[in-house]
Amino acid sequence: QVQLQQWGAGLLKPSDTLSLTCGVSGGSISGHYLSWIRQPPGKGLEWIGEINHSGSTNYNPSLRSRVTISVDTSKKKFSLNLSSVTAADTAVYYCARDSSSSRGYYFDFWGQGTLVTVSS
Amino acid sequence: DIQMTQSPSSLSASVGDRVTIPCRASLSISSYLNWYQQKPGKAPKLLIYSASTLLSGVPSRFSGSGSGTDFTLTISGLQPEDYATYYCQQSYSTPWTFGQGTKVEIK
Repeated sequence: QVQLQQWGAGLLKPSDTLSLTCGVSGGSISGHYLSWIRQPPGKGLEWIGEINHSGSTNYNPSLRSRVTISVDTSKKKFSLNLSSVTAADTAVYYCARDSSSSRGYYFDFWGQGTLVTVSS
Repeated sequence: DIQMTQSPSSLSASVGDRVTIPCRASLSISSYLNWYQQKPGKAPKLLIYSASTLLSGVPSRFSGSGSGTDFTLTISGLQPEDYATYYCQQSYSTPWTFGQGTKVEIK
């Protein structure tokens, strides 16, 4: 069974850089994109971006200028960096694995979520 | 970006009811539509992909339909464990986007 386990700092100050890492176990990351998704408290889900095992990335244009997603294929982990955070970046951050069908992609396995709070 | 609209944001239903949850895309997305269930404090869980394909292990009381811009998630015979928030998500083009969610509450 595929499992995603994520970790990283949960309390940041404005202008800090958010850094989270997600490890994948029980399955291959080849042939899949790996995504980061966030959810502000009490709100809906926002896709941040994704990376594949070759390092090819896609980012949400709304965050592109501040986001970097990287992958360490040998260790089966991928990371999110979000720079210059503000209170608006306070959210639960999830990592997720993308799988594909003949009609699109879907997020079939998710990490447990990390609450990141930005406060001075 | 493709906007996904879910309305209502919440609904009340009783155990055993048939519940329908609509989702509308701002442009045609063929069948590139997924449904997730989220319970408080938990990560979303995939239920249905490609508009109508039930993920293995998901109870058959869940079903999805629609194509183009209008989609529906149906729960036939609501169970106590189904009280949750349901999100639709388009996979037609990046950025992948989600609806705002529909919370199914106890009546």
